[in-house]
Amino acid sequence: DIQMTQSPSSVSASVGDRVTITCRASQGITTSLAWYQQKPGKAPKLLIYAASSLESGVPSRFSGSGSGTDFTLTISSLQPEDFATYYCQQANSFPLTFGGGTKVEIK
Amino acid sequence: EVQLVQSGGDLVQPGGSLRLSCAASGFAFSSSWMHWVRQPPGKGLVWVSRINSDGGSITYADSVKGRFIISRDNAKNTLYLQLNSLRAEDTAVYYCVNGGMDVWGQGTTVSVSS
Repeated sequence: DIQMTQSPSSVSASVGDRVTITCRASQGITTSLAWYQQKPGKAPKLLIYAASSLESGVPSRFSGSGSGTDFTLTISSLQPEDFATYYCQQANSFPLTFGGGTKVEIK
Repeated sequence: EVQLVQSGGDLVQPGGSLRLSCAASGFAFSSSWMHWVRQPPGKGLVWVSRINSDGGSITYADSVKGRFIISRDNAKNTLYLQLNSLRAEDTAVYYCVNGGMDVWGQGTTVSVSS
């Protein structure tokens, strides 16, 4: 199975800050990576697919990059509605696997 | 409106069984792969199973293989997950998700406890 390691596990930031979350795969997955946002009590929401493609309706302050084993999700200017938990997920092979999550908290 | 509406979650004793349902609307369900993903209380997301569009190809996570059965009824636009031999560690919110993982159900809670 492909292991997905996210860092940091949590980050405290202020509105307007730039936030970067990293995700590392235990083996190469080309660009078969997605990022999700989850708020308490809600289902996850797809933000980024194929490592860097923005899902329709997602604000352009979200961006993804990377290929192979190292990936990044960047929020260019954090907004109040962005405080949530973020997960990466590899779609290269079954079983699909998720990172452990990064909680973005208000500083 | 594209949506997945789930039902079937409940409190069940260890060793018991349960069937989860997921009704799809607003998209071409019969041509879509579908997944189940679960989330234990306070923990992260875990993929459980997937089924292809005609039900002829199925994959399970090792943790549920031999106990859970994924199926679908394309005439009813409905996905199912039969949970058998339930254990405490199966306690989670279960989500049905479409193949592109851009449409998620609202989640249904399965609690396994005596």
